[in-house]
Amino acid sequence: GESVGLHLPTLSVQEGDNSIINCAYSNSASDYFIWYKQESGKGPQFIIDIRSNMDKRQGQRVTVLLNKTVKHLSLQIAATQPGDSAVYFCAENTGNQFYFGTGTSLTVIP
Amino acid sequence: KAGVTQTPRYLIKTRGQQVTLSCSPISGHRSVSWYQQTPGQGLQFLFEYFSETQRNKGNFPGRFSGRQFSNSRSEMNVSTLELGDSALYLCASSYTNKEYEQYFGPGTRLTVT
Repeated sequence: GESVGLHLPTLSVQEGDNSIINCAYSNSASDYFIWYKQESGKGPQFIIDIRSNMDKRQGQRVTVLLNKTVKHLSLQIAATQPGDSAVYFCAENTGNQFYFGTGTSLTVIP
Repeated sequence: KAGVTQTPRYLIKTRGQQVTLSCSPISGHRSVSWYQQTPGQGLQFLFEYFSETQRNKGNFPGRFSGRQFSNSRSEMNVSTLELGDSALYLCASSYTNKEYEQYFGPGTRLTVT
């Protein structure tokens, strides 16, 4: 099966700082990637996506970077806020189904 | 626009029983996928339905099954429950022409005792 790994299981950042969450994927044929945010007691919430023909995509306070050479994906959150505290995980799709990482728990320190 | 809804939100069953979970997708969405989420395994794909047909299936035993109705609502069934089936079961829906953008429901927390 696919292997979608996360570099760190937990991450603590000071409010106002930038956060970077990393993800490694194993299938070079994956052509679509999504970052999700999951708060306690809720389902995953779509944050941002990127296709394999792109290296970078920006949203509101978030940026996703894709490095296909080393099969690495990162999510950058600018000016992290307490409401950003959640579990973040990446997902890759080869065109057939999604494979998800186990998640990184982000804690924002006020 | 209402989001994806799942019922029930919480369920407690005993080993050997069977359970049926329900998912109502966002209005207009025709694709529904089911996932099992556990602390150790993360999110694992169960199956996907589109226009009442199962299009993809994950690596789960035959005790896990599903179906989709003409109004795109979907149900999944787990028979002969095992302790290891305790998990959060998530349903996600997507548009026909934007199938990759999945929107998740809040999930059904199943506990098997």
